[in-house]
Amino acid sequence: GQQVMQIPQYQHVQEGEDFTTYCNSSTTLSNIQWYKQRPGGHPVFLIQLVKSGEVKKQKRLTFQFGEAKKNSSLHITATQTTDVGTYFCAGRNRDDKIIFGKGTRLHILP
Amino acid sequence: DGGITQSPKYLFRKEGQNVTLSCEQNLNHDAMYWYRQDPGQGLRLIYYSQIVNDFQKGDIAEGYSVSREKKESFPLTVTSAQKNPTAFYLCAIGGRGLPGNQPQHFGDGTRLSIL
Repeated sequence: GQQVMQIPQYQHVQEGEDFTTYCNSSTTLSNIQWYKQRPGGHPVFLIQLVKSGEVKKQKRLTFQFGEAKKNSSLHITATQTTDVGTYFCAGRNRDDKIIFGKGTRLHILP
Repeated sequence: DGGITQSPKYLFRKEGQNVTLSCEQNLNHDAMYWYRQDPGQGLRLIYYSQIVNDFQKGDIAEGYSVSREKKESFPLTVTSAQKNPTAFYLCAIGGRGLPGNQPQHFGDGTRLSIL
């Protein structure tokens, strides 16, 4: 079945370094959502991207939706300890199904 | 998220036993969803409901049942037919529409384990 692949699975960065997670779909997506889940917590909605090539920023976070609407990325500039958690993308396919990636777990080294 | 209450936080099930997980919301949202999360995995949709007295199967509905008798409540029953029920169960709410159209807001979750 259709998958939404997310890479890397894990990422360790020094505090202050940048971090990027990538989301790739085998088919075109209608939209893509990003969520953050802190350890032991529940996913929290961050943003939704709908348009081809769309770029949105939230403070140190930059979200992109690819021109072909098959991939997306989340970039965090100058990571802080509060950025720790797992970042999930969730894409809606043409069958109107939402498919979550397996997430990228971010660890921050002090 | 405030306004979505899942209970209990931890639940243990014996073999052959049905258990029911509660999800209540006071945010007046039409749509409610149940997801299952396994360690190191993404979320998989079990059931969703867009309106009272109506619900739809998600990708992994086998071994689960739901009801939507009130707008505020969407309980999930894990039946004895679900052979691998140990997981983190998340309830979510959103605006009316299919799950991927609206941002979803999640409860704190219920961790279910087999005794």
